[in-house]
Amino acid sequence: QKEVEQNSGPLSVPEGAIASLNCTYSDRGSQSFFWYRQYSGKSPELIMFIYSNGDKEDGRFTAQLNKASQYVSLLIRDSQPSDSATYLCAWNSGGSNYKLTFGKGTLLTVNP
Amino acid sequence: GAGVSQSPSNKVTEKGKDVELRCDPISGHTALYWYRQSLGQGLEFLIYFQGNSAPDKSGLPSDRFSAERTGGSVSTLTIQRTQQEDSAVYLCASSLSPYEQYFGPGTRLTVT
Repeated sequence: QKEVEQNSGPLSVPEGAIASLNCTYSDRGSQSFFWYRQYSGKSPELIMFIYSNGDKEDGRFTAQLNKASQYVSLLIRDSQPSDSATYLCAWNSGGSNYKLTFGKGTLLTVNP
Repeated sequence: GAGVSQSPSNKVTEKGKDVELRCDPISGHTALYWYRQSLGQGLEFLIYFQGNSAPDKSGLPSDRFSAERTGGSVSTLTIQRTQQEDSAVYLCASSLSPYEQYFGPGTRLTVT
């Protein structure tokens, strides 16, 4: 069964710390990986995507992909209380089918 | 520009009734997706439309669920003979590429 597993939450970090969110996947056919942020009662919004091994940085966010170990992670530097949300990782298999398989999410709380 | 819109925002229905949920994607987006999110769960893929291709219905949980997309734009998700386990937030997304899916605000369905 093709699954995405996220590290169990909830995760609580102090303001200014680095928050580390992890995700492992079981399907070696997975091609592209996505991190979404979902505030309570709101719909998910894309933070970033990654499809090549290594790191991808965007502002305070860094996505890391290791296809050999089948994991993808998201680091949030200088965490802010406004980063408090559920973070969802997702993947697709590439090609012409864009549908996403999502993990259950990790609730992050950044304490002032 | 306008984002993805969904209607109604909330729907309460009695067990056994049929419901229709509507999605208006971002103009020009060729791909449209339906997901659902049960309380405290990640997003579950339901169905995916891409241009004029046959839809990917692999995520529909039963034959009570169906969806159509008219004119390559608006989509309707229909649930017949609703059951209590159908209660969830139904999210629609659209995209022009494999990398960015934009989600609508969702329809919260409650089956009593």
